[in-house]
Amino acid sequence: DTGVSQNPRHKITKRGQNVTFRCDPISEHNRLYWYRQTLGQGPEFLTYFQNEAQLEKSRLLSDRFSAERPKGSFSTLEIQRTEQGDSAMYLCASSLDRRRGNTEAFFGQGTRLTVV
Amino acid sequence: DAKTTQPPSMDCAEGRAANLPCNHSTISGNEYVYWYRQIHSQGPQYIIHGLKNNETNEMASLIITEDRKSSTLILPHATLRDTAVYYCIVRVAQMNYGGSQGNLIFGKGTKLSVKP
Repeated sequence: DTGVSQNPRHKITKRGQNVTFRCDPISEHNRLYWYRQTLGQGPEFLTYFQNEAQLEKSRLLSDRFSAERPKGSFSTLEIQRTEQGDSAMYLCASSLDRRRGNTEAFFGQGTRLTVV
Repeated sequence: DAKTTQPPSMDCAEGRAANLPCNHSTISGNEYVYWYRQIHSQGPQYIIHGLKNNETNEMASLIITEDRKSSTLILPHATLRDTAVYYCIVRVAQMNYGGSQGNLIFGKGTKLSVKP
């Protein structure tokens, strides 16, 4: 399967714990996005990377959230001191940024986080 | 904020054409219209996009009005598997490599229910 891969698919954690999610984009895609989606809402943009550089962060990305893409390939999203309000689906997407424009973004299946 | 307006829900009979409207009255000249859909518990799936001409692919057709203030996604022969939330998004055409444009801003979409 050469699509966007996210792990784990589901995560249940206790409030106050730290969690980390991983995203493997489509090979050679240089742009990687993170989104969050709560029930009944569309995905909300969190941040994106161009290769290893984090170029934009949404105001939704609080200080407890940190994302990395150290080698410009896979990315991790960490949430520290989780709160119940962090319960959501976390989606990753990737695209190829070329001089003549971006390709469409391809999404992974998401990681569903439940904070209890 | 999303720059599009869509009806919250629609029904369609199996085998009939599904016509999903979208208003984007403030669209700029350099913005494309994108359509994605999201089947329950999966990540969003790209369907089609266009600038001003009508577009067709194996999944759907996109009809954009001449003034570009609205568009319609057409699924020619809807099946039960087309039941999903459909998102209409306007997205800046990225002209410069590495530019910050191109992020997808989702609204709430239209929940399409295809009924037997």
